[in-house]
Amino acid sequence: AQSVTQLGSHVSVSEGALVLLRCNYSSSVPPYLFWYVQYPNQGLQLLLKYTTGATLVKGINGFEAEFKKSETSFHLTKPSAHMSDAAEYFCAVSAQSGYALNFGKGTSLLVTP
Amino acid sequence: NAGVTQTPKFRILKIGQSMTLQCTQDMNHNYMYWYRQDPGMGLKLIYYSVGAGITDKGEVPNGYNVSRSTTEDFPLRLELAAPSQTSVYFCASRMDANSGANVLTFGAGSRLTVL
Repeated sequence: AQSVTQLGSHVSVSEGALVLLRCNYSSSVPPYLFWYVQYPNQGLQLLLKYTTGATLVKGINGFEAEFKKSETSFHLTKPSAHMSDAAEYFCAVSAQSGYALNFGKGTSLLVTP
Repeated sequence: NAGVTQTPKFRILKIGQSMTLQCTQDMNHNYMYWYRQDPGMGLKLIYYSVGAGITDKGEVPNGYNVSRSTTEDFPLRLELAAPSQTSVYFCASRMDANSGANVLTFGAGSRLTVL
């Protein structure tokens, strides 16, 4: 079975500061890993995904994540936070041929002026 | 291209009432899912379907039923609403598990309150 743990249910950063949202995964098989973002009163949108190949994955809106197998981690980063980045972020994992994604509990990102 | 459409967006039910949350996708996706989202709990899978006529239970199926008579539609039914079913429900779809993309497209959600 696959699962993810997101460290920190709430993260607050200043506008222009580095964003770091942590995600560790557990998987008995090579995983697919995802980050989704949810803006208030909306559905989830894909930020980026790791399937195979390059371990540094770039996504939309300047976000990126690095797959580190030795640390079983897939942390999400952005060099400079914008006010518009305030949202809920979900890490998710599935097996490469799995039927569904298992989501973490989410991290709420607050960006302060 | 409408993507995944959910109706209704909001609904208030009394305990014991029944209702159906509708989900339609126009992307010809084989796989469809129902998740519920509760504060601080992330998303939990209720039911999923790998194609018309095929459905299976997810992590939290109790109190719900689904059907998949067509590729496009995947309704979720609550037979006897309970306060524990107060939640935000998301429908999602993707082409298939082995497509390599493995990306879910989500609807905008249906907020259900049971009083």
